[in-house]
Amino acid sequence: EAGVAQSPRYKIIEKRQSVAFWCNPISGHATLYWYQQILGQGPKLLIQFQNNGVVDDSQLPKDRFSAERLKGVDSTLKIQPAKLEDSAVYLCASSLSLSANYGYTFGSGTRLTVV
Amino acid sequence: SQQGEEDPQALSIQEGENATMNCSYKTSINNLQWYRQNSGRGLVHLILIRSNEREKHSGRLRVTLDTSKKSSSLLITASRAADTASYFCATPQGNTPLVFGKGTRLSVIA
Repeated sequence: EAGVAQSPRYKIIEKRQSVAFWCNPISGHATLYWYQQILGQGPKLLIQFQNNGVVDDSQLPKDRFSAERLKGVDSTLKIQPAKLEDSAVYLCASSLSLSANYGYTFGSGTRLTVV
Repeated sequence: SQQGEEDPQALSIQEGENATMNCSYKTSINNLQWYRQNSGRGLVHLILIRSNEREKHSGRLRVTLDTSKKSSSLLITASRAADTASYFCATPQGNTPLVFGKGTRLSVIA
């Protein structure tokens, strides 16, 4: 089966600019996650979707970050305006359901550098 | 929040040796999962061990779970240079998304 697709692979922007990341999960996976991973740390959850609805966005900095999954398949994550501390790898993952009995499948991530 | 903490933070071994990484957690769990992350890549799900299991094998991987000590270990036997990566444990509870620790950085020297 095809994996989780993410694009772009790399992005360099200046602070205060905006940026968007795209994710296509595994076909049939109802649950989609966006994680932020700062260098040397583990991934930190930003937002969780179940189909096209938000389940958990408690750790999403809503003043600058937004995410959507309008048709319950693809998802986009946007940052506007970007700050230097947003430099990180943004990982998308999907799983069959909300149940914790399934592992997650991750994409390769988008490495964002804010200068 | 539910979280696994990996130990050691870094581990360097020679090719052919065994590598052991440990994970501790704080509250009761349904299962515990181990993931691998190669440099510059996403995480790859390695193995899921349920709370009623004590040991699980997958190829050269062996995972143990001790719920009384709230700990798990991941053993990689006969390590290869390709095993060089960061390894994370995660302990979900209910429908809570996975929370990851800082991981163990394994270096296997040829």
